Amino acid sequence: EVQLVESGGGLVQPGDSLKLSCAASGFTFSEYAMAWVRQSPKRGLEWVATIIYDDDSTYYRNSVKGRFTISRDNARSALYLQMDSLRSEDTATYYCTTHRTLWFGHWGQGTLVTVSS
Amino acid sequence: EIVLTQSPTTMAASPGERVTITCRASSSVNYMYWYQQMSGASPKLWIYDSSKLASGVPDRFSGSVSGTSYSLTINTMEAEDAATYYCQQCCSLPYTFGAGTKLEL
Repeated sequence: EVQLVESGGGLVQPGDSLKLSCAASGFTFSEYAMAWVRQSPKRGLEWVATIIYDDDSTYYRNSVKGRFTISRDNARSALYLQMDSLRSEDTATYYCTTHRTLWFGHWGQGTLVTVSS
Repeated sequence: EIVLTQSPTTMAASPGERVTITCRASSSVNYMYWYQQMSGASPKLWIYDSSKLASGVPDRFSGSVSGTSYSLTINTMEAEDAATYYCQQCCSLPYTFGAGTKLEL
């Protein structure tokens, strides 16, 4: 059974940094592209970033480009999202997902990030 | 950025009723994807490649396309189908989602 377990969310101030982690199991992690998708009441569901199997190719939405970094450790079956210079509009529940090129197949339970002073 | 417009925003349906949710794309996309999100849970892939049911999805659900308009249909509504449904376009960065349709019983 595919399992994706996010961690690392919390309450931070604007300008702070936070690193999210996602522990994957139940599938061959190294064979899947992975993504972060966030959800907030104001903005709905938003794709944030995708990393391809071998870590060489990454893609970001414009509003996080230069501030967020997606990475993976295939040996540990782990996905990460380093978030710097956080803004109030980054407040959301962040989901780790498998990204089958065209769709987001499996989702974790999400971790809540709140950016507020 | 491709904007996806879902309609209706909310709707109520009775058991046994036929339900159709529509998603219109601002530009042409090859396929549409649908997700179901129950209250307090994560989204689940529900329909892929516009009309294929994800694993475990009851066959009372179907997906279709007409031009740039994509639809999710429930042939006969059941209580367990009450949820929010989102469409997602696959093919132009940034990947975008519709705002959702909340389906109530």
